Amino acid sequence: GESVGLHLPTLSVQEGDNSIINCAYSNSASDYFIWYKQESGKGPQFIIDIRSNMDKRQGQRVTVLLNKTVKHLSLQIAATQPGDSAVYFCAENGRDSSYKLIFGSGTRLLVRP
Amino acid sequence: DTEVTQTPKHLVMGMTNKKSLKCEQHMGHRAMYWYKQKAKKPPELMFVYSYEKLSINESVPSRFSPECPNSSLLNLHLHALQPEDSALYLCASSQGRADEQYFGPGTRLTVT
Repeated sequence: GESVGLHLPTLSVQEGDNSIINCAYSNSASDYFIWYKQESGKGPQFIIDIRSNMDKRQGQRVTVLLNKTVKHLSLQIAATQPGDSAVYFCAENGRDSSYKLIFGSGTRLLVRP
Repeated sequence: DTEVTQTPKHLVMGMTNKKSLKCEQHMGHRAMYWYKQKAKKPPELMFVYSYEKLSINESVPSRFSPECPNSSLLNLHLHALQPEDSALYLCASSQGRADEQYFGPGTRLTVT
């Protein structure tokens, strides 16, 4: 079935280093992708999104890369801070570009001081 | 105002109780969503309302009953729940398809 998966369930990085969280998606018809950050006890928080007509999009300290050839999505966080520690989910909007977001299984980012 | 609010924050209910979860947004968004999230899992879509009409029902059991009284409000009525229904229930809203979904803080539901 359709799925969005993550390669690493847990990523541990040193404070100040760059973090890269990867995501593989299976639906080549998806035209919208989004990254969320979820801290313990809170709802998912929007980080950045990208549409399929783009390869790269930058925000404040974050960059999303989309490789449609290999159906791969990545989130890069520059100068990782302790406040970045959370679970990160990628999501795609699926075959019929509907309202439904298909979430990946999540990656926990741990930032070591 | 880019906030989605949800009440209550926590809810404990017995299997014979009837309760409701409430969600509100004032961003003028035309789509609203209910998700269920179990611990260490991603959110799972339950329902989508578009322009106040039910657009998607992900085969959710009838003990969960959504309602959209107006474009800013979304309710989830609960009746005869099971312990396995205990989870974090998230509400979200978006401008339309393929747009950022803004999530609320969730309601932590425990069914005893």
